[in-house]
Amino acid sequence: EIVLTQSPGTLSLSPGERATLSCRASQSVSSSYLAWYQQKPGQAPRLLIYGASSRATGIPDRFSGSGSGTDFTLTISRLEPEDFAVYYCQQYGSSSFTFGPGTKVDIK
Amino acid sequence: EVQLVQSGAEVKKPGESLKISCKGSGYSFTSYWIGWVRQMPGKGLEWMGIIYPGDSDTRYSPSFQGQVTISADKSISTAYLQWSSLKASDTAMYYCARQSSWYELDYWGQGTLVTVSS
Repeated sequence: EIVLTQSPGTLSLSPGERATLSCRASQSVSSSYLAWYQQKPGQAPRLLIYGASSRATGIPDRFSGSGSGTDFTLTISRLEPEDFAVYYCQQYGSSSFTFGPGTKVDIK
Repeated sequence: EVQLVQSGAEVKKPGESLKISCKGSGYSFTSYWIGWVRQMPGKGLEWMGIIYPGDSDTRYSPSFQGQVTISADKSISTAYLQWSSLKASDTAMYYCARQSSWYELDYWGQGTLVTVSS
């Protein structure tokens, strides 16, 4: 099973700042099958990025994804107040999904 | 509009059985896999398994194989997650989600909170 590690565990930033979140896999992941989700308290997760770099429908362009192999990155170019949340990466491989442990982006 | 609507919160005792549901609408229910995801209190997301309602092909995470049963009734566009004997450690929020073309989960249900307590 592929294990995903996310860093940092918590990122404390101010609105307007740039956020860079990392997702590292224990073995190579097909870029096509790497996604990112946002979850706010009391809400279901929301798909942000799929295929490592494609934004889901309705997702603002301040969100971008990149990476390949074992290292992937979610970047939020300028944090808006509504972006403070927990972010999860997820991969699919060998008929199985795994999620990373999440990165919490909170207000500094 | 694609929607996944889950059944309501449940409070059960250890040893009891339970079946929760996830009804899809606004798309061809038989053409997309539906997955189930557990979120224990204050914790992250865990993939439990997935079903293709078109032919009921089902895959389980090794962590949940034998612990739960995933099924679907395509005639009413509904997927199910069931337990035969609940444990206190099954207390969690359970989400269903639609799997799309690149194995991303693009639409999510609102979640069903299951509380197991004596």
